[in-house]
Amino acid sequence: DQQVKQNSPSLSVQEGRISILNCDYTNSMFDYFLWYKKYPAEGPTFLISISSIKDKNEDGRFTVFLNKSAKHLSLHIVPSQPGDSAVYFCAASALDQGGKLIFGQGTELSVKP
Amino acid sequence: DTGVSQDPRHKITKRGQNVTFRCDPISEHNRLYWYRQTLGQGPEFLTYFQNEAQLEKSRLLSDRFSAERPKGSFSTLEIQRTEQGDSAMYLCASSLTGGIGTEAFFGQGTRLTVV
Repeated sequence: DQQVKQNSPSLSVQEGRISILNCDYTNSMFDYFLWYKKYPAEGPTFLISISSIKDKNEDGRFTVFLNKSAKHLSLHIVPSQPGDSAVYFCAASALDQGGKLIFGQGTELSVKP
Repeated sequence: DTGVSQDPRHKITKRGQNVTFRCDPISEHNRLYWYRQTLGQGPEFLTYFQNEAQLEKSRLLSDRFSAERPKGSFSTLEIQRTEQGDSAMYLCASSLTGGIGTEAFFGQGTRLTVV
């Protein structure tokens, strides 16, 4: 069972515009959500996170929104830059699960100049 | 470099051989995780340690897989009698014990190819 889903395998955006990456989850016990960015042949790099007690967290060009009632979160990148081109993974964890992360399948973002 | 370090970066082995991977976590991190990633998928949890204790193993981890973390520092992941289906990227991550807000930091991974 896929507890964390990223339904868009790819997204293409023009430089300077907004990129919106979406993620859905099914397990209501998840209380912490993270976004990781991954370049080819490298490990995932932590980008931004949000706890379930918040609905928004912002860090520079990156903002994560959480809608608990819809079990949905999104990552907004504004403005998008060519260097943002990578695969983005959404991940979720539950406090009583030892920090184990459940990942979505990833969305490949391509930012075109 | 004080990040998570994995060795080797790449491993090609013949089916049936045993392989061992090493992970050196960030020094002050007491939790260490192993994940496996196949093409087109997100990383899948395999197992994790808190200090030297292995606290959880995924059902993905067959009897051919074993992980250790002696003295609560580096960790090894061994795969015995490798099969072609074991071909994947094996990722190690570490974190601090804590409540909400403890993100894991990943190494660059070991890419295993079983031929």
